[in-house]
Amino acid sequence: KNEVEQSPQNLTAQEGEFITINCSYSVGISALHWLQQHPGGGIVSLFMLSSGKKKHGRLIATINIQEKHSSLHITASHPRDSAVYICAVSLKTSYDTVIFGPGTSLSVIP
Amino acid sequence: GAGVSQSPRYKVAKRGQDVALRCDPISGHVSLFWYQQALGQGPEFLTYFQNEAQLDKSGLPSDRFFAERPEGSVSTLKIQRTQQEDSAVYLCASSLVTGFTGELFFGEGSRLTVL
Repeated sequence: KNEVEQSPQNLTAQEGEFITINCSYSVGISALHWLQQHPGGGIVSLFMLSSGKKKHGRLIATINIQEKHSSLHITASHPRDSAVYICAVSLKTSYDTVIFGPGTSLSVIP
Repeated sequence: GAGVSQSPRYKVAKRGQDVALRCDPISGHVSLFWYQQALGQGPEFLTYFQNEAQLDKSGLPSDRFFAERPEGSVSTLKIQRTQQEDSAVYLCASSLVTGFTGELFFGEGSRLTVL
């Protein structure tokens, strides 16, 4: 069993739709990261959170530490949101260790 | 520079050649990570530096892989006697802190193709 799992693996949405990507993990964490990777591009950090909820523009990230679950929501999706969204967790160890999920490939169609 | 810089962006090597990939993290960032990302996969951890100390190299796939960060800033990932299975994007990330909640900043990656 992978320590970080994401669902769905692939997602196609119509422009304007509300999108949810889920992340679940099985290890003790100190923080969870949501990352965005465009085709051929580098990775951009969207959110880092350890509790509650964060919002940035049309993006919202939530985390439930007790349930070991996080969600990334995109409101009013746009074709430029098409990318791979990766959930990664920082482990509770004496040094920084980050484990990445497999990613969710999102395609938003005009 | 303002961000994490990696070079070369693209590298084609013949099987058996040695390659060196460079990562220039954000100035002052203490933590530096190397990841390997195969096509269609999420990044896989290779190694972690805290300043110049390599605290974790458990992800390095074989003894052909070697990383260093001698002065606690620029890091080099070296792959000796490259094999086709080494073909991947190698990502470098840095973080300001050593604590548990450091935001990660990624470079654009170095895409290695071994023929």
